Amino acid sequence: SQQGEEDPQALSIQEGENATMNCSYKTSINNLQWYRQNSGRGLVHLILIRSNEREKHSGRLRVTLDTSKKSSSLLITASRAADTASYFCATDTSMNTGFQKLVFGTGTRLLVSP
Amino acid sequence: SAVISQKPSRDICQRGTSLTIQCQVDSQVTMMFWYRQQPGQSLTLIATANQGSEATYESGFVIDKFPISRPNLTFSTLTVSNMSPEDSSIYLCSGRTTGLSTEAFFGQGTRLTVV
Repeated sequence: SQQGEEDPQALSIQEGENATMNCSYKTSINNLQWYRQNSGRGLVHLILIRSNEREKHSGRLRVTLDTSKKSSSLLITASRAADTASYFCATDTSMNTGFQKLVFGTGTRLLVSP
Repeated sequence: SAVISQKPSRDICQRGTSLTIQCQVDSQVTMMFWYRQQPGQSLTLIATANQGSEATYESGFVIDKFPISRPNLTFSTLTVSNMSPEDSSIYLCSGRTTGLSTEAFFGQGTRLTVV
């Protein structure tokens, strides 16, 4: 089953507004990452937060992580039409082989209108 | 970050045939992954491909249906065998280096339609 559940499934806002997406997961993690996908194409990495971090910033992005609640949020401030895309959280967990794998959440489709 | 070239970008195939998808990375990567994504849905991990060892498949995916090759640290292939319309999907390859805080980078995906 999917590791991460995201909400909302879809979000529609106006340019200049902030967008917040939430992600919940089920097991222990090494880190949590957020990715962006435009129109079913390849994913682009946005930001990574380690399990011992609580908040991280990158430009207009702010990510929080609460390991006690197994949840994370992504905030995009001052949104632009170009931010329209699907956003996925991904939890990084260790496999028996010693390598790590990413398990993706259900995703949030963001639409930013001019 | 590295760049992955994935091909074909799309294909329409007859049921019962097989399609091999290739991914070429512009630098050496330890781990490569293959995902499947239904339109509008999330990514589901098919298998992890590591050079020098057999691929590790996730629950619900088997080697006979999705054979994978990883001959070196810059290349991998996924074959979708004996295709049926249910295999119609987007297939994505991904690469990562080892380490507890590394990002993944992705190919542009292969949009497969089985008729």
